[in-house]
Amino acid sequence: QVQLQESGPGLVKPSETLSLTCTVSGGSISSGGYYWSWIRQHPGKGLEYIGYIYNSGSTYYNPSLKSRVTISVDTSKNQFSLKLSSVTAADTAVYYCARGDYGDYWGQGTLVTVSS
Amino acid sequence: QLVLTQSPSASASLGASVKLTCTLSSGHSSYAIAWHQQQPEKGPRYLMKLNSDGSHTKGDGIPDRFSGSSSGAERYLTISSLQPEDEADYYCQTWGTGIWVFGGGTKLTVL
Repeated sequence: QVQLQESGPGLVKPSETLSLTCTVSGGSISSGGYYWSWIRQHPGKGLEYIGYIYNSGSTYYNPSLKSRVTISVDTSKNQFSLKLSSVTAADTAVYYCARGDYGDYWGQGTLVTVSS
Repeated sequence: QLVLTQSPSASASLGASVKLTCTLSSGHSSYAIAWHQQQPEKGPRYLMKLNSDGSHTKGDGIPDRFSGSSSGAERYLTISSLQPEDEADYYCQTWGTGIWVFGGGTKLTVL
């Protein structure tokens, strides 16, 4: 069974870059033609889509975050990553990774707090 | 603009059935959606992909109590024989131009 697991620092300083990794197990990230996505959820709020990387390496980002977001993939490690630059307190959220165009598998999420 | 609309809250009694609704914006009635469940303090869990014709594909281990149906621009999630663990937030989601679009979520309370 496919499993996704987010990892990365739980605390990031304002103006720095948030970096998270999603490790995929139970299947190859480079097969199947899947979209690999990042989503976040501010405390007590709904879900916000950040963007995806397709297995060909093409990416698409939410226009509201596009200038600060980079999503990349490392097929040798079966991982994909999120970088969000110039973070502020408004980027404090639980960050999730997920597979597919309809999110058939999700990670459990990781809380990232932006604070000095 | 592609928008998904959900009622903020719903409630039903233990053992009863409940039908949650997700409405697609005008011009998008042919879109498939997915339903996701988020139990308290947990990440979202994929329940099913629901097509405009009502056919649906459920996720691994999703009980038969969960079913989907469609009518026009409306997509429904029906949960029968409600259990305490069904108390959760339910989000619908679809795939727009390169981006996921989420409904605002429905908070289901099991009485």
